[in-house]
Amino acid sequence: KNEVEQSPQNLTAQEGEFITINCSYSVGISALHWLQQHPGGGIVSLFMLSSGKKKHGRLIATINIQEKHSSLHITASHPRDSAVYICAVSHQGGSEKLVFGKGMKLTVNP
Amino acid sequence: NAGVTQTPKFQVLKTGQSMTLQCAQDMNHEYMSWYRQDPGMGLRLIHYSVGAGITDQGEVPNGYNVSRSTTEDFPLRLLSAAPSQTSVYFCASRSPGQGFYEQYFGPGTRLTVT
Repeated sequence: KNEVEQSPQNLTAQEGEFITINCSYSVGISALHWLQQHPGGGIVSLFMLSSGKKKHGRLIATINIQEKHSSLHITASHPRDSAVYICAVSHQGGSEKLVFGKGMKLTVNP
Repeated sequence: NAGVTQTPKFQVLKTGQSMTLQCAQDMNHEYMSWYRQDPGMGLRLIHYSVGAGITDQGEVPNGYNVSRSTTEDFPLRLLSAAPSQTSVYFCASRSPGQGFYEQYFGPGTRLTVT
């Protein structure tokens, strides 16, 4: 079993929909990262969480440490949100070694 | 700031050839890492460095060498390329510290080994 699991693997939505992407992990962590990979391949860091909730524009990330689960929400989705969303965790102790999920491909249709 | 730069963007090698993937950052980040990305798999850590002169192995280090002589540069060397090393390679950097800092990724190098 992978240490980091993401669901769903693929998602197609209509513009304007509220989208939730899930990430579950099986190890103790010091931080969880949400990344976005554009169709051209570039990777951008969206959020880093160790507890609670963070918001940036239309994106909201939450984490539940007890349940070992995080969600990334996109409100009022837009075709430019189409990308692969990747969850990654840093092991407890602040290890530099990130463990990545396989990513979730999101397609938002106009 | 240019951020994290990688060269080349694309490379085709024959089996057995060697080459160096270049990575540089101008943000004075102590931490730098190399990852490979393969279809159907998450990014996997090859090697990482927590400062000049200090490197360590990641999850998939075999067939790769690194060195860190300066804070800015972190080259990845393929000693004898194999078809299994066909992949997209990403370099990343971040600041150390008590808090948590985001990773900055380079644009990637797409390598094909024939």
